[in-house]
Amino acid sequence: AQSVTQLDSQVPVFEEAPVELRCNYSSSVSVYLFWYVQYPNQGLQLLLKYLSGSTLVKGINGFEAEFNKSQTSFHLRKPSVHISDTAEYFCAVTTPHGSSNTGKLIFGQGTTLQVKP
Amino acid sequence: GAVVSQHPSRVICKSGTSVKIECRSLDFQATTMFWYRQFPKQSLMLMATSNEGSKATYEQGVEKDKFLINHASLTLSTLTVTSAHPEDSSFYICSAELPLAGVGETQYFGPGTRLLVL
Repeated sequence: AQSVTQLDSQVPVFEEAPVELRCNYSSSVSVYLFWYVQYPNQGLQLLLKYLSGSTLVKGINGFEAEFNKSQTSFHLRKPSVHISDTAEYFCAVTTPHGSSNTGKLIFGQGTTLQVKP
Repeated sequence: GAVVSQHPSRVICKSGTSVKIECRSLDFQATTMFWYRQFPKQSLMLMATSNEGSKATYEQGVEKDKFLINHASLTLSTLTVTSAHPEDSSFYICSAELPLAGVGETQYFGPGTRLLVL
């Protein structure tokens, strides 16, 4: 079975500062990894994903993440945040079709990014 | 591309009534759709997996007779909360799976439906 741990429930940061949101996963098989952002009272928007290939993945809104298989991590980074980045961020994992998960996403607990002026 | 819509966005109903929520993939066909429930300040909880033309697969602890799912076409799945009670009040979110041949699958989420049962 897979699991996802987001180590920080809240991350306060000042505007224009860099930020890293941490995500670790556990799985005995190969995985796909995702980061989603949720603004208040809205659904989830895909920020970026790792399916295969290059371990450094670039997403929308200036975010990027690096897949580290040895450390089973998929941390999300942005070099300079804006007030508008204030939201809830979810890391998620799934396994390719054909395995027991059949496409189910396993979500972390979420990290609230609070960008202060 | 990969847009998913939900209707309604908000619904208030009386206890004992049934509520239907629609989830549509607007620009792609989705064989598989998922229904989630989210409580305030919490993560998403998968309720069921909806497959076009077949019965939905429910997660452990989710009452299939209370949460009826129908996936009648490749672009539409519906969730009906039957005989709703105040404890069913929640934020319901659907997602549609977009398969990319040879690469992998990605879920795209709808904007969510806020259900309040009085």
